[in-house]
Amino acid sequence: DTEVTQTPKHLVMGMTNKKSLKCEQHMGHRAMYWYKQKAKKPPELMFVYSYEKLSINESVPSRFSPECPNSSLLNLHLHALQPEDSALYLCASSQEARGTDTQYFGPGTRLTVL
Amino acid sequence: RKEVEQDPGPFNVPEGATVAFNCTYSNSASQSFFWYRQDCRKEPKLLMSVYSSGNEDGRFTAQLNRASQYISLLIRDSKLSDSATYLCVVNRAGSNYKLTFGKGTLLTVNP
Repeated sequence: DTEVTQTPKHLVMGMTNKKSLKCEQHMGHRAMYWYKQKAKKPPELMFVYSYEKLSINESVPSRFSPECPNSSLLNLHLHALQPEDSALYLCASSQEARGTDTQYFGPGTRLTVL
Repeated sequence: RKEVEQDPGPFNVPEGATVAFNCTYSNSASQSFFWYRQDCRKEPKLLMSVYSSGNEDGRFTAQLNRASQYISLLIRDSKLSDSATYLCVVNRAGSNYKLTFGKGTLLTVNP
């Protein structure tokens, strides 16, 4: 089973709202990732967690706050977002945080900020 | 030069055609190479890893030329279901798990 699940599938929020995106995998993977993808663009890396510790933050604004409660779960907390933050947010996981390990992507959360 | 550069496309081919995608990468220290496919409004899915010796999986053949910093993907006998965006992905040198995606090439296979 190479499944990464994400909830919700769609999210509409106002600029003053606080919401969270959730990601889950049960493959025993120790690396998890958040990506942002705008229309007709490739995914852009936001954060990498390795063994539940944040190892990479790609200079993401603080209105995005990741959290890894345990090895299977990854959250992305959203607060005071801007309309330009509207995008597809993809979670991925891999066995370890190694370039040779395949990253498996979840179906994404399509976020619209009004 | 961009980190990962792909044919801009789009490619429109008839069923049964052979189609080739090309990709170049800028950092000679890059270690790992992949082709992902992404269907419209779906997540990227790994199609193949690319090895130095080249590798084949059914109708798909991937090649890597480290000297030219060039990666290719060949699809033979294309099917309607091959219609998707094909993403060339390279691990970023200096860190083993920071993948860099090319912009992708859209393929449409027509009946």
